[in-house]
Amino acid sequence: QPVLTQPPSASGTPGELVTISCSGSNSNLGSNYVFWYQQFPGTAPKLLIYQDQWRPSGVPDRFSGSRSGTSASLAISGLRSEDEAEYFCSAWDDTLNGLIFGGGTKVTAL
Amino acid sequence: VQLVESGGALVQPGRSLRLSCTASGFRIADYAMGWFRQAPGRGLEWVGFIRRRTYGGTTKYAAPVRDRFIISRNDVGNVAYLQMNSLKTDDTALYYCSRTMTDNAIFAGEWWSDPWGQGTLVTVSS
Repeated sequence: QPVLTQPPSASGTPGELVTISCSGSNSNLGSNYVFWYQQFPGTAPKLLIYQDQWRPSGVPDRFSGSRSGTSASLAISGLRSEDEAEYFCSAWDDTLNGLIFGGGTKVTAL
Repeated sequence: VQLVESGGALVQPGRSLRLSCTASGFRIADYAMGWFRQAPGRGLEWVGFIRRRTYGGTTKYAAPVRDRFIISRNDVGNVAYLQMNSLKTDDTALYYCSRTMTDNAIFAGEWWSDPWGQGTLVTVSS
């Protein structure tokens, strides 16, 4: 059972705002950065957001991240069909002394 | 910038296997390196990190592999390794290596991994 909790799926129509939540605890999201990865079927994960809110070069600005308390979220503003993928959140856990992931959220463009 | 993992195979429980991660387009000497895995149809799992030699080249591992797996690096050859010993069926997964950005931060919770290789499949079965 992943330590970080994500909804298994999320969907929206093209152009819509889609938000993915990531829920944790004081030992992870409550005190450490969140990172987001995007993964298409059969391919390697790709970094989408690092240290809560920063986008690596090449990531469209329709992707944004935030963290508050023991939760974090990834927002896709203006959903596109090419955004259909699985999204994973990740954070360091001080109790486990290791990096943990959420179970992933599959995003569908309706 | 590219990472290519190799060495995945079908192995019996209890045996050992070494994976390689060959980098191109950058010098691994300038970066920490990470290993991750993904069991078939499952989510992502962190395996471990190895710091740059300038920070001692020390390693950090996830609890399930801590006493069995060893990460090492050959900066001259631009290759990182994952030595896996006493393999268990639960270790069956696609194994990815990654370049890990530290921005000189000591705390691994501030690091991020980008890019990742395409992965190499390890199957542990009798």
